[in-house]
Amino acid sequence: EAQVTQNPRYLITVTGKKLTVTCSQNMNHEYMSWYRQDPGLGLRQIYYSMNVEVTDKGDVPEGYKVSRKEKRNFPLILESPSPNQTSLYFCASSLIDRGASPLHFGNGTRLTVT
Amino acid sequence: AQKITQTQPGMFVQEKEAVTLDCTYDTSDPSYGLFWYKQPSSGEMIFLIYQGSYDQQNATEGRYSLNFQKARKSANLVISASQLGDSAMYFCAMREGQGGFKTIFGAGTRLFVKA
Repeated sequence: EAQVTQNPRYLITVTGKKLTVTCSQNMNHEYMSWYRQDPGLGLRQIYYSMNVEVTDKGDVPEGYKVSRKEKRNFPLILESPSPNQTSLYFCASSLIDRGASPLHFGNGTRLTVT
Repeated sequence: AQKITQTQPGMFVQEKEAVTLDCTYDTSDPSYGLFWYKQPSSGEMIFLIYQGSYDQQNATEGRYSLNFQKARKSANLVISASQLGDSAMYFCAMREGQGGFKTIFGAGTRLFVKA
């Protein structure tokens, strides 16, 4: 089954404790991206990647890191989480073509930082 | 700069009636794509419909249609014959053709379908 797999689904952590949210897709998509969803703000892009070893900042990259060492994986790293990073996070992937390909989303990771 | 505006935080519709969810956008890029996604209470994001900036006809997918008015920069989603399962959050999104593959989202509209 074609899918984007995010783990974990729920995560509660404390301020400053490094964490990684994993994302993997099995559709051979070139493009992968991370979003955070907050009430009233919709989805805001954190980082995106056009291909292996090619990453770039989105609108809200502060406090996050990513890497794209393999085409299928795009982990999101929070080196020192803070309470303002409490949010619902989505990983998404897509083909890169003339732009018509929709994003395929993972099921989301609800992160709480205390 | 890219911008997507959804001015209806919440809407109610009677079952079996049609409903229009508003979306306006701003871009200076002549090549762009517009998307609508649905987010049920379970949280997943589901792609509904796509409209390209050069498409001559409005997109349709089953009960979903996109009312694309390019000059007004609007891309409203029309859901015909609403069903209880249509109760969800709906997001309008835009991807510009130039300068990368960035997709931005509006704040969303929560739709409630009444029996």
